[in-house]
Amino acid sequence: QQPVQSPQAVILREGEDAVINCSSSKALYSVHWYRQKHGEAPVFLMILLKGGEQKGHDKISASFNEKKQQSSLYLTASQLSYSGTYFCGTGHTGRRALTFGSGTRLQVQP
Amino acid sequence: GAVVSQHPSWVICKSGTSVKIECRSLDFQATTMFWYRQFPKQSLMLMATSNEGSKATYEQGVEKDKFLINHASLTLSTLTVTSAHPEDSSFYICSARLDTHNEQFFGPGTRLTVL
Repeated sequence: QQPVQSPQAVILREGEDAVINCSSSKALYSVHWYRQKHGEAPVFLMILLKGGEQKGHDKISASFNEKKQQSSLYLTASQLSYSGTYFCGTGHTGRRALTFGSGTRLQVQP
Repeated sequence: GAVVSQHPSWVICKSGTSVKIECRSLDFQATTMFWYRQFPKQSLMLMATSNEGSKATYEQGVEKDKFLINHASLTLSTLTVTSAHPEDSSFYICSARLDTHNEQFFGPGTRLTVL
């Protein structure tokens, strides 16, 4: 079953922060975050493997709440280059393939 | 590291013809690759899991005789769309799984247009 992402879309001004949530109805083994720009393939951002894990790179970070079966992606001090559609992919025990959410369209304006 | 290539980037073909798309992991070996299709403004829909040295595993509703997958080596998987029709027009993306860390890396995608 497809994980639920929220919000579906968000518009930010440069420098503002955003949070994207990913929630699954099934127990999670891992959560993978990607960003896709129009006409291009998704680009890997990060993977979270353990409950309680938090990771970050530059001003993008993520957390994984295993008990709540959800993950959040945090974008701070957003830049124009952050614009795109963000997908979470959930990994489940016994299945190698990821299941992707419907995506969150993020637009950063000057 | 972890670069995946796809060829071709785009292809236009006539209805009824077959099209082959290649997916290569350039700097790592991948026993598992995945094929997705994506319609405009929609999510990635998994078509099949490509397994090196064995048959692919298809998702429900995906015709295995229409979408032929071959994973003959640890760095190459191919998807052949047979007897293509206009409704097969889509963006096809492959990903390769890094076995040691469970990460998946996507190829740049192939845009197929069937006239």
